[in-house]
Amino acid sequence: QSALTQPPSASGSPGQSVTISCTGTSSDVGGYNYVSWYQQHPGKAPKLIIFEVTKRPSGVPDRFSGSKSGNTASLTVSGLQAEDEADYYCSSYAGSNNSVFGTGTKVTVL
Amino acid sequence: QVQLQESGPGLVKPSETLSLTCFVSGGSISSNFWSWIRQPPGKGLEWIGYIYYSGSTNYNPSLKSRVTISVDTSKNHFSLKLSSVTTADTAVYYCARGTAMSYPPFDYWGQGTLVTVSS
Repeated sequence: QSALTQPPSASGSPGQSVTISCTGTSSDVGGYNYVSWYQQHPGKAPKLIIFEVTKRPSGVPDRFSGSKSGNTASLTVSGLQAEDEADYYCSSYAGSNNSVFGTGTKVTVL
Repeated sequence: QVQLQESGPGLVKPSETLSLTCFVSGGSISSNFWSWIRQPPGKGLEWIGYIYYSGSTNYNPSLKSRVTISVDTSKNHFSLKLSSVTTADTAVYYCARGTAMSYPPFDYWGQGTLVTVSS
C-alpha cells in the first residue's frame, strides 16, 4: 500500500480558510468512508480531529471540517488561528484490515 | 481518561531486534484494537500494525516479515518486536488505540519514544 498524497504545505492569514487535500485510490480513500485527520504540533503526538470523513470528536472546534469526493478527501480549517499552525495527516482504511497515512501537510498561519 | 506510555531501549544496533512495550492505564486493554505507528525524523506517519485484545493481529505488508505484535491482557500492555533493523528503522514509535476502521480511529496516543538504530 502506498502513502496517501498530500500537498507538502499550505498557508493562510488569521481568519482565513485553508483546505488540504488527501488523494488516494479506489482501494482506500475512494472505497470506504473511513478517512480521518490528525493534527500534530512539533514534538507532540498526533491528535484526532476528524473521523469517518466528516465527524468531529468531542472538543474539536467546528472550524475543522472534512469532506470527500471520489478518491480525494479534504480538510478545511476555517477562521484560521495561530494555534492551528501544525502538521496535518490524513488516514484511511486500505482494505484487508490495513491502515494507511498521508504524506503530511505543514500549515503555516501567516 | 485512557493513557498510553511507550517503554523500551532508545538505541538498537543494526541487524538486532527492536522491542517496545506500550502500557495502557485509565482503561482496560480488552475489547479494543491497539496499533503501533512510527515517524522517522522529519517525515510522515507509517502504520506498523495492530493487535486485538484477543491476540489477532494484522501488519503493514511492507513490514510484515519483520514485525510481531503481542498483548498481555493481565498486565494491560501490548508489545512490538521489529527484527533485523537498519538505520531506516530509526523513528519515533507511537502506540495508539484503534485502527483506521475503529470508532473513533487512533483516538488515544502515547507520547512517542525515539528509537535510534546505530552501531
